[in-house]
Amino acid sequence: DTAVSQTPKYLVTQMGNDKSIKCEQNLGHDTMYWYKQDSKKFLKIMFSYNNKELIINETVPNRFSPKSPDKAHLNLHINSLELGDSAVYFCASSQGRAGANVLTFGAGSRLTVL
Amino acid sequence: KNEVEQSPQNLTAQEGEFITINCSYSVGISALHWLQQHPGGGIVSLFMLSSGKKKHGRLIATINIQEKHSSLHITASHPRDSAVYICAGGGNKLVFGAGTILRVKS
Repeated sequence: DTAVSQTPKYLVTQMGNDKSIKCEQNLGHDTMYWYKQDSKKFLKIMFSYNNKELIINETVPNRFSPKSPDKAHLNLHINSLELGDSAVYFCASSQGRAGANVLTFGAGSRLTVL
Repeated sequence: KNEVEQSPQNLTAQEGEFITINCSYSVGISALHWLQQHPGGGIVSLFMLSSGKKKHGRLIATINIQEKHSSLHITASHPRDSAVYICAGGGNKLVFGAGTILRVKS
Protein backbone atom coordinates (compact mmCIF):
# COMPACT_ATOMS: atom_id res chain seq x y z
CA ASP A 1 0.00 0.00 0.00
CA THR A 2 1.76 3.16 -1.24
CA ALA A 3 2.37 5.70 1.52
CA VAL A 4 2.55 8.81 -0.69
CA SER A 5 1.05 8.39 -4.12
CA GLN A 6 1.17 10.88 -6.97
CA THR A 7 -0.67 10.86 -10.26
CA PRO A 8 0.13 11.00 -13.04
CA LYS A 9 3.69 9.68 -13.08
CA TYR A 10 4.31 11.12 -16.54
CA LEU A 11 2.68 14.12 -18.14
CA VAL A 12 3.47 15.44 -21.62
CA THR A 13 1.62 18.54 -22.72
CA GLN A 14 1.78 21.60 -24.94
CA MET A 15 2.77 25.09 -23.89
CA GLY A 16 -0.19 27.14 -22.73
CA ASN A 17 -2.20 24.18 -21.40
CA ASP A 18 -3.41 23.79 -17.82
CA LYS A 19 -2.62 20.60 -15.91
CA SER A 20 -2.95 19.15 -12.43
CA ILE A 21 -0.92 16.68 -10.38
CA LYS A 22 -2.59 14.93 -7.48
CA CYS A 23 -1.03 13.66 -4.27
CA GLU A 24 -2.42 11.56 -1.46
CA GLN A 25 -0.78 10.20 1.68
CA ASN A 26 -2.12 7.46 3.94
CA LEU A 27 0.42 7.93 6.74
CA GLY A 28 -1.73 10.23 8.86
CA HIS A 29 0.87 12.99 8.51
CA ASP A 30 -0.19 16.58 9.13
CA THR A 31 2.22 18.32 6.73
CA MET A 32 2.54 17.95 2.97
CA TYR A 33 4.88 19.50 0.43
CA TRP A 34 5.50 20.05 -3.23
CA TYR A 35 9.11 20.04 -4.39
CA LYS A 36 10.45 20.74 -7.86
CA GLN A 37 13.52 18.91 -9.16
CA ASP A 38 15.13 20.57 -12.15
CA SER A 39 17.23 19.00 -14.89
CA LYS A 40 20.34 19.23 -12.69
CA LYS A 41 18.56 17.15 -10.02
CA PHE A 42 18.37 20.13 -7.67
CA LEU A 43 15.40 19.91 -5.29
CA LYS A 44 13.60 23.04 -4.19
CA ILE A 45 10.55 23.59 -1.98
CA MET A 46 7.52 25.12 -3.68
CA PHE A 47 4.70 24.85 -1.15
CA SER A 48 3.92 23.32 2.19
CA TYR A 49 0.61 22.78 3.94
CA ASN A 50 0.03 21.92 7.56
CA ASN A 51 -3.46 20.62 8.37
CA LYS A 52 -4.79 22.20 5.16
CA GLU A 53 -3.20 25.57 5.93
CA LEU A 54 -0.56 27.02 3.60
CA ILE A 55 2.62 27.55 5.62
CA ILE A 56 5.32 27.81 2.96
CA ASN A 57 4.87 29.58 -0.34
CA GLU A 58 8.18 30.08 -2.06
CA THR A 59 8.82 32.45 -4.92
CA VAL A 60 6.78 30.48 -7.41
CA PRO A 61 4.88 32.01 -10.35
CA ASN A 62 1.22 32.45 -9.50
CA ARG A 63 0.43 30.11 -12.40
CA PHE A 64 1.09 27.42 -9.79
CA SER A 65 -1.74 26.94 -7.33
CA PRO A 66 -1.75 24.27 -4.63
CA LYS A 67 -4.95 23.00 -3.11
CA SER A 68 -5.37 20.91 0.01
CA PRO A 69 -8.96 19.68 0.42
CA ASP A 70 -7.97 17.73 3.55
CA LYS A 71 -4.72 16.91 5.32
CA ALA A 72 -4.27 13.69 3.33
CA HIS A 73 -4.37 15.39 -0.07
CA LEU A 74 -2.33 18.10 -1.73
CA ASN A 75 -2.87 18.83 -5.39
CA LEU A 76 -0.89 21.10 -7.68
CA HIS A 77 -2.55 22.94 -10.53
CA ILE A 78 -0.47 24.70 -13.15
CA ASN A 79 -1.96 27.23 -15.58
CA SER A 80 -0.55 28.38 -18.91
CA LEU A 81 2.33 25.91 -18.90
CA GLU A 82 5.72 27.13 -20.07
CA LEU A 83 8.78 25.26 -21.33
CA GLY A 84 10.62 26.08 -18.10
CA ASP A 85 8.00 24.22 -16.08
CA SER A 86 9.41 20.94 -17.39
CA ALA A 87 10.75 19.14 -14.33
CA VAL A 88 10.01 16.34 -11.93
CA TYR A 89 7.57 17.34 -9.19
CA PHE A 90 7.71 15.47 -5.91
CA CYS A 91 5.04 15.39 -3.28
CA ALA A 92 6.14 14.56 0.28
CA SER A 93 4.69 14.41 3.75
CA SER A 94 5.89 14.49 7.35
CA GLN A 95 4.45 14.55 10.83
CA GLY A 96 5.43 18.03 11.90
CA ARG A 97 7.71 20.42 10.06
CA ALA A 98 10.30 19.13 7.60
CA GLY A 99 13.36 20.42 9.40
CA ALA A 100 12.89 18.16 12.38
CA ASN A 101 10.92 15.23 11.00
CA VAL A 102 11.47 12.49 8.45
CA LEU A 103 10.03 13.11 5.01
CA THR A 104 8.27 10.46 2.96
CA PHE A 105 8.32 11.17 -0.77
CA GLY A 106 6.03 10.18 -3.58
CA ALA A 107 7.51 8.59 -6.70
CA GLY A 108 7.53 11.89 -8.59
CA SER A 109 5.62 13.23 -11.57
CA ARG A 110 7.69 14.01 -14.65
CA LEU A 111 6.20 16.96 -16.52
CA THR A 112 7.36 17.65 -20.05
CA VAL A 113 6.13 20.81 -21.75
CA LEU A 114 6.55 20.89 -25.53
CA LYS B 1 27.27 29.84 -2.70
CA ASN B 2 24.52 27.39 -1.78
CA GLU B 3 23.55 27.19 1.88
CA VAL B 4 24.09 23.43 1.72
CA GLU B 5 27.19 22.23 -0.11
CA GLN B 6 28.05 18.63 -0.93
CA SER B 7 31.25 17.04 -2.09
CA PRO B 8 32.19 15.35 -4.25
CA GLN B 9 29.67 15.99 -7.03
CA ASN B 10 30.54 12.69 -8.69
CA LEU B 11 32.11 9.60 -7.21
CA THR B 12 33.06 6.32 -8.84
CA ALA B 13 34.13 3.47 -6.61
CA GLN B 14 35.03 -0.17 -6.96
CA GLU B 15 32.81 -2.70 -5.25
CA GLY B 16 33.90 -3.21 -1.67
CA GLU B 17 35.42 0.25 -1.19
CA PHE B 18 34.64 2.51 1.74
CA ILE B 19 32.85 5.65 0.55
CA THR B 20 32.49 9.05 2.17
CA ILE B 21 30.21 11.87 1.03
CA ASN B 22 30.50 15.22 2.76
CA CYS B 23 27.95 17.93 3.48
CA SER B 24 28.60 21.42 4.85
CA TYR B 25 25.85 23.85 5.69
CA SER B 26 25.57 27.50 6.60
CA VAL B 27 21.82 27.52 7.21
CA GLY B 28 20.45 27.05 10.74
CA ILE B 29 19.10 23.54 11.06
CA SER B 30 16.82 21.54 13.32
CA ALA B 31 18.28 18.36 11.85
CA LEU B 32 20.35 17.21 8.88
CA HIS B 33 18.76 14.80 6.43
CA TRP B 34 20.40 12.32 4.09
CA LEU B 35 18.31 11.15 1.15
CA GLN B 36 18.91 8.58 -1.56
CA GLN B 37 17.55 8.89 -5.08
CA HIS B 38 17.82 5.79 -7.24
CA PRO B 39 18.11 5.87 -11.03
CA GLY B 40 14.39 5.10 -11.21
CA GLY B 41 13.82 8.48 -9.59
CA GLY B 42 12.24 7.69 -6.22
CA ILE B 43 13.61 9.47 -3.13
CA VAL B 44 14.06 7.69 0.16
CA SER B 45 15.00 9.17 3.50
CA LEU B 46 18.11 7.43 4.88
CA PHE B 47 18.87 9.39 8.03
CA MET B 48 17.78 12.36 10.03
CA LEU B 49 20.23 13.45 12.70
CA SER B 50 20.84 16.42 14.92
CA SER B 51 23.88 15.15 16.81
CA GLY B 52 26.42 12.35 16.90
CA LYS B 53 26.15 9.33 14.69
CA LYS B 54 23.55 6.96 13.28
CA LYS B 55 24.03 3.58 11.63
CA HIS B 56 21.75 1.51 9.45
CA GLY B 57 23.25 -1.59 7.92
CA ARG B 58 26.31 -0.55 5.91
CA LEU B 59 25.42 3.13 6.06
CA ILE B 60 26.70 5.49 8.75
CA ALA B 61 25.89 9.17 9.11
CA THR B 62 27.73 11.57 11.38
CA ILE B 63 27.26 15.22 12.19
CA ASN B 64 29.43 17.86 13.85
CA ILE B 65 27.15 20.72 14.86
CA GLN B 66 29.99 23.07 15.82
CA GLU B 67 31.67 22.66 12.44
CA LYS B 68 28.34 22.53 10.55
CA HIS B 69 29.43 19.42 8.76
CA SER B 70 27.98 15.98 8.16
CA SER B 71 29.30 12.87 6.45
CA LEU B 72 27.64 9.83 4.97
CA HIS B 73 29.76 6.71 4.91
CA ILE B 74 29.08 3.49 3.02
CA THR B 75 31.08 0.46 4.06
CA ALA B 76 31.70 -2.50 1.72
CA SER B 77 30.07 -0.66 -1.18
CA HIS B 78 28.00 -2.60 -3.69
CA PRO B 79 26.73 -1.76 -7.19
CA ARG B 80 23.21 -1.50 -5.78
CA ASP B 81 24.43 1.52 -3.75
CA SER B 82 24.72 3.44 -7.04
CA ALA B 83 22.40 6.39 -6.65
CA VAL B 84 22.31 10.13 -5.99
CA TYR B 85 22.82 11.00 -2.33
CA ILE B 86 21.39 14.30 -1.18
CA CYS B 87 21.83 16.12 2.10
CA ALA B 88 19.34 18.69 3.31
CA GLY B 89 18.89 20.88 6.35
CA GLY B 90 16.71 23.64 7.63
CA GLY B 91 13.99 24.70 10.01
CA ASN B 92 10.47 24.98 8.66
CA LYS B 93 11.71 24.33 5.16
CA LEU B 94 14.56 22.19 3.94
CA VAL B 95 17.42 23.49 1.81
CA PHE B 96 18.93 20.77 -0.35
CA GLY B 97 22.45 20.14 -1.50
CA ALA B 98 23.06 19.55 -5.20
CA GLY B 99 23.55 15.83 -4.66
CA THR B 100 26.45 13.42 -5.09
CA ILE B 101 26.19 10.96 -7.96
CA LEU B 102 27.69 7.67 -6.79
CA ARG B 103 28.54 4.84 -9.14
CA VAL B 104 29.86 1.59 -7.72
CA LYS B 105 31.44 -0.71 -10.28
CA SER B 106 31.61 -4.48 -9.88
